[in-house]
Amino acid sequence: DIQMTQSPSSLSASVGDRVTITCRASQRISSYLNWYQQKPGKAPKVLIYAASSLQSGVPSRFSGSGSGTDFTLTISSLQPEDFATYYCQQSYTTLYTFGQGTKLEIK
Amino acid sequence: QLQLQESGPGLVKPSETLSLTCSVSGGSLSDSYYYWGWIRQPPGQGLEWIGSMSYSGSASYNPSLKSRVTMSVDTSKNQVSLKLSSVTAADTAVYYCARQGRYTSGRDFDYWGQGTLVSVSS
Repeated sequence: DIQMTQSPSSLSASVGDRVTITCRASQRISSYLNWYQQKPGKAPKVLIYAASSLQSGVPSRFSGSGSGTDFTLTISSLQPEDFATYYCQQSYTTLYTFGQGTKLEIK
Repeated sequence: QLQLQESGPGLVKPSETLSLTCSVSGGSLSDSYYYWGWIRQPPGQGLEWIGSMSYSGSASYNPSLKSRVTMSVDTSKNQVSLKLSSVTAADTAVYYCARQGRYTSGRDFDYWGQGTLVSVSS
């Protein structure tokens, strides 16, 4: 299995802050990396696919980068609605795996 | 607008079989560009992929669950089903169905149902 490790596991930030979340794969996965946002009681929502492509309808303050084993999700200026849990997911192998999640909280 | 809706019992007894259905509306299950997947999330925990299936019935399962999982599609009803046998308390989770791009650059899960909580308890 490809293990996905996110850091940090939790993060406190303020509205307007720039935030970066990191995801590391246990082996090279090219650009087969997706990012999701999940709010309490709701299904995950895809933000970024293929490491850096912005899903239609997602605000441009979200961006993704990386390839190989190291990836980042950046929120350029946090908005109140961005406080949620974020997951990375690899789709390089059919045994799709998710990171453990990063909970973004209001400072 | 594509919509997915999970349905099934919210309570299953240990050792029995969990059965869920995902009804797809606003789109066709027979679209060859997509897989249909199941993902679960135990309370307060992360996401675990269970399996994905094409409209033709070609399926991939998580090896950790493969011996207990069966997925099927009914294109006439536009439904995907999940069966998980010999359940234990560890199978208590919110179960989501989701559409997955088959040929897209990310093979991401782009549409999700709202999820259904299944508890395993006697």
